[in-house]
Amino acid sequence: AQSVTQLGSHVSVSEGALVLLRCNYSSSVPPYLFWYVQYPNQGLQLLLKYTSAATLVKGINGFEAEFKKSETSFHLTKPSAHMSDAAEYFCAVSGRRGSYIPTFGRGTSLIVHP
Amino acid sequence: GAGVSQTPSNKVTEKGKYVELRCDPISGHTALYWYRQSLGQGPEFLIYFQGTGAADDSGLPNDRFFAVRPEGSVSTLKIQRTERGDSAVYLCASSSTSRGGYNEQFFGPGTRLTVL
Repeated sequence: AQSVTQLGSHVSVSEGALVLLRCNYSSSVPPYLFWYVQYPNQGLQLLLKYTSAATLVKGINGFEAEFKKSETSFHLTKPSAHMSDAAEYFCAVSGRRGSYIPTFGRGTSLIVHP
Repeated sequence: GAGVSQTPSNKVTEKGKYVELRCDPISGHTALYWYRQSLGQGPEFLIYFQGTGAADDSGLPNDRFFAVRPEGSVSTLKIQRTERGDSAVYLCASSSTSRGGYNEQFFGPGTRLTVL
């Protein structure tokens, strides 16, 4: 069994400020963890993934996430927000065998103010 | 190259009607997934194909939902006797397959289904 909790349905930041989107997971097996971004009227796009290599994972568009097993967390960060980062962000978890079908969180809407 | 495409982009139907939603995966991708995304929720898994066969259909909510992929490429999600609760965005994704490893899923833009 696996699940994801994303804290905060909406996060609002100013342009240039730090972005922090929180994700906690539950998994009965060592997990794979993902962050996806969804822009309006577009499909989900993979930002980054953790698959048991380095615990600090760097993704596209300057985002990164750190896998912390002791905290069962995989928070997404970006040092400086840009207006173009405004989108819906989804954290997801999957097991390490079989079809790797992810279980998604409910999503966090990132709002960036000028 | 072309990504995953889904048609129609929007579908409005009446309660009780039958609908078909189509997914064209990336050429050469053997794995295909269907998800449903309700308002304010993350995508929810419905069914997964490996080639022509449904490898996992545990996410289909009931027997009104059915999906096929007869030639291992295009897939059709079929919903019979639609209900208002079926209203959602239906997402399709595809990935290549290699034994023992994770392969990135590429998502289409979705079909927004509205049941009146």
